[in-house]
Amino acid sequence: NAGVMQNPRHLVRRRGQEARLRCSPMKGHSHVYWYRQLPEEGLKFMVYLQKENIIDESGMPKERFSAEFPKEGPSILRIQQVVRGDSAAYFCASSRPQTEQYFGPGTRLTVT
Amino acid sequence: AQSVTQLGSHVSVSEGALVLLRCNYSSSVPPYLFWYVQYPNQGLQLLLKYTSAATLVKGINGFEAEFKKSETSFHLTKPSAHMSDAAEYFCAVSDENAGKSTFGDGTTLTVKP
Repeated sequence: NAGVMQNPRHLVRRRGQEARLRCSPMKGHSHVYWYRQLPEEGLKFMVYLQKENIIDESGMPKERFSAEFPKEGPSILRIQQVVRGDSAAYFCASSRPQTEQYFGPGTRLTVT
Repeated sequence: AQSVTQLGSHVSVSEGALVLLRCNYSSSVPPYLFWYVQYPNQGLQLLLKYTSAATLVKGINGFEAEFKKSETSFHLTKPSAHMSDAAEYFCAVSDENAGKSTFGDGTTLTVKP
């Protein structure tokens, strides 16, 4: 059973460009979570999604950030007009209902 | 609201010595508690979890943690450190619905030969 998959593993964008981060949950998992980890810090919750629904987006910045988890395909975290402060590791996790989360290897975004 | 405090951002032990990583939580509802380990440039791996069953939880790699409600603590221990235990460790809390998790800032464990 493959684990949570994220791609790309590393992403470099210039300021003002768009970044798209993909997450494929573990087989059988219907819940997806996105977290951001800044250097030397812990993980900060961003958004919690189920298929076609955003359940909790209390950790998402109000502007430039969006997330989706369509009926088919991976979950996408989209960052428009990236700035240097967006440079971080973005982790996706998935779970079945009311069970522990399993994390992917992360996407390391660098904004130049 | 839930929160996690990990006391000590860096802990250093000698190989073979006891490992103790501290975690205190705050939660208005019965919590689910987790410890994760992160190796450099990798994702988080679940070490163990507490979900309101036995208060002493055994995990992988010889780690265990004890839930103490009176102290709102969930400290992680291992009797004898190995060099391979050197990593960053995160304590996390979520509510019974196991939705979003709130993480501590992490503790970096260094193991000296």
